[in-house]
Amino acid sequence: SQQGEEDPQALSIQEGENATMNCSYKTSINNLQWYRQNSGRGLVHLILIRSNEREKHSGRLRVTLDTSKKSSSLLITASRAADTASYFCATVAGGGADGLTFGKGTHLIIQP
Amino acid sequence: GAGVSQTPSNKVTEKGKYVELRCDPISGHTALYWYRQSLGQGPEFLIYFQGTGAADDSGLPNDRFFAVRPEGSVSTLKIQRTERGDSAVYLCASSSRGEQFFGPGTRLTVL
Repeated sequence: SQQGEEDPQALSIQEGENATMNCSYKTSINNLQWYRQNSGRGLVHLILIRSNEREKHSGRLRVTLDTSKKSSSLLITASRAADTASYFCATVAGGGADGLTFGKGTHLIIQP
Repeated sequence: GAGVSQTPSNKVTEKGKYVELRCDPISGHTALYWYRQSLGQGPEFLIYFQGTGAADDSGLPNDRFFAVRPEGSVSTLKIQRTERGDSAVYLCASSSRGEQFFGPGTRLTVL
């Protein structure tokens, strides 16, 4: 079963704009991770945020986590054509080494 | 070093046949995971190994699915009496400290 629900399911923006994707989940988590998937490079880990963290940055990526609302957001700033991909949030319960529970993903298209 | 590798990259089989999918994790990673991804969906967890033992196999859909990791490195996912509904991309990942590194997957097609 899939715990996360990404919103929107699809997003198309112009190159240079910012892209925001949201994720909601249902149960308590140890951490939440964001992944990118495209046909050329498979599934790539982007960023991990632990349940006791509220915000994290990595390059052009900014992730927030609100455990009271069981939600997270991924912001990609100054988007590039190469950012076109599907983005998934995935949660980990328990001690943190358990399997990931993925959402259905947001398909992001960056128009040149 | 090399990333996670999976073989074969593509496998076409007939309904009722037996298949084996192989995963070579990143050297030194003690945790290994198998996932299945259907078209338009996110990956779905199947099983997780810590060393040689299956720490969590709650995601295996039924007893036709089995996985082993006899020496704590390479893992094989085995599917008996394949069904058309087993068609999907099977992904393997390995981890040492939480972040999971994924292989390119094996696309299984059951005719």
